[in-house]
Amino acid sequence: AQSVTQLDSQVPVFEEAPVELRCNYSSSVSVYLFWYVQYPNQGLQLLLKYLSGSTLVESINGFEAEFNKSQTSFHLRKPSVHISDTAEYFCAVSRAQKLVFGQGTRLTINP
Amino acid sequence: GAVVSQHPSWVICKSGTSVKIECRSLDFQATTMFWYRQFPKQSLMLMATSNEGSKATYEQGVEKDKFLINHASLTLSTLTVTSAHPEDSSFYICSATPRTRNYDEQFFGPGTRLTVL
Repeated sequence: AQSVTQLDSQVPVFEEAPVELRCNYSSSVSVYLFWYVQYPNQGLQLLLKYLSGSTLVESINGFEAEFNKSQTSFHLRKPSVHISDTAEYFCAVSRAQKLVFGQGTRLTINP
Repeated sequence: GAVVSQHPSWVICKSGTSVKIECRSLDFQATTMFWYRQFPKQSLMLMATSNEGSKATYEQGVEKDKFLINHASLTLSTLTVTSAHPEDSSFYICSATPRTRNYDEQFFGPGTRLTVL
């Protein structure tokens, strides 16, 4: 069985500071990895995904994540956050069409 | 592209009544649609997987007679909460996988907030 662990339930940071949201997964086979963002009272939006190839993946709004097979991690990073990045972030692993989500990390940006 | 809509966005009903939630893929055909449930400040829990023209596959612990899923076409799936009770109040989110994709990416609807009085 696969599982996803997001190590931090809440991460408060100041605006323009860097941030890392941690995600570890357990799987004995190759997987696809995703980060989704959820703004209040909305559905999920795909932030970025790792399918194969380069282990560093980037999104259009400055986030990036690095797939580390040896550490079974897929941490999300942004060098400088903005107030608008305040949201809930979910890491997910896919296998046989199903998505298994982590518990979520609430990112709060303070001015 | 790859937009998924849900209707209604919120609904309030009395205990004992049934509520139907629609999930539509607006600009693509979906081989598979998924229904999730999310409690406040918690993660998404998969309730069921549905393929067009076949019966839905429910996750362990989800009552199939209470949460009726109909996947009538490649662009529409419905979730009916039958004889709703206050404990069924939750945020219900659907997602869909385009038939043209060769990997497991799901596109999510905006969610439906159900409140049962």
